[in-house]
Amino acid sequence: ETGVTQTPRHLVMGMTNKKSLKCEQHLGHNAMYWYKQSAKKPLELMFVYSLEERVENNSVPSRFSPECPNSSHLFLHLHTLQPEDSALYLCASSQWTGGTEAFFGQGTRLTVV
Amino acid sequence: AQSVTQLDSQVPVFEEAPVELRCNYSSSVSVYLFWYVQYPNQGLQLLLKYLSGSTLVKGINGFEAEFNKSQTSFHLRKPSVHISDTAEYFCAVFNSGGSNYKLTFGKGTLLTVNP
Repeated sequence: ETGVTQTPRHLVMGMTNKKSLKCEQHLGHNAMYWYKQSAKKPLELMFVYSLEERVENNSVPSRFSPECPNSSHLFLHLHTLQPEDSALYLCASSQWTGGTEAFFGQGTRLTVV
Repeated sequence: AQSVTQLDSQVPVFEEAPVELRCNYSSSVSVYLFWYVQYPNQGLQLLLKYLSGSTLVKGINGFEAEFNKSQTSFHLRKPSVHISDTAEYFCAVFNSGGSNYKLTFGKGTLLTVNP
């Protein structure tokens, strides 16, 4: 139990579908992150939220839309994705954004068909 | 800009043998350094971290790493590995001197422990 829970664990969606990934942390942290992990590539930071405010958006296409309604929950809304968006999407949280250790969820394995 | 290089993409070893996974980083300011482990179909779990102080840091599962500032390295070691150590290992660096929120990860090293 890492304290960071992601649902669903697996998701298959068509290119015209709309779906959402959910992340919840029970650690009392103030910062939350979305990462994309593709085969043979380093982890790519997508979004950073600090105290529910987005502080970084790493040139992510608009078909990915994050939402942070409170410090415990983070969503990633998906629409009109491409097959190359298939990857493991990891959520993480940390006490603050200033270099403290990050705790990761188990990830959502997304396949776009 | 900071970067992380993990020199070996795959490291096969036999059970009970010692192992070293290499990590070099580049950064113009002070850094925090981390090693994470990822088991199949799991997220990343922190093995150990260097923030300051002693350059030899000990982590979970018998792993340790040594921070070498002159060589900009943070190699991970274990004196005797088990089958259960088979996993992917990621080195990561955080720039402590700026407003950059990023943990920059290396590409990972797949450690395979054979019987």
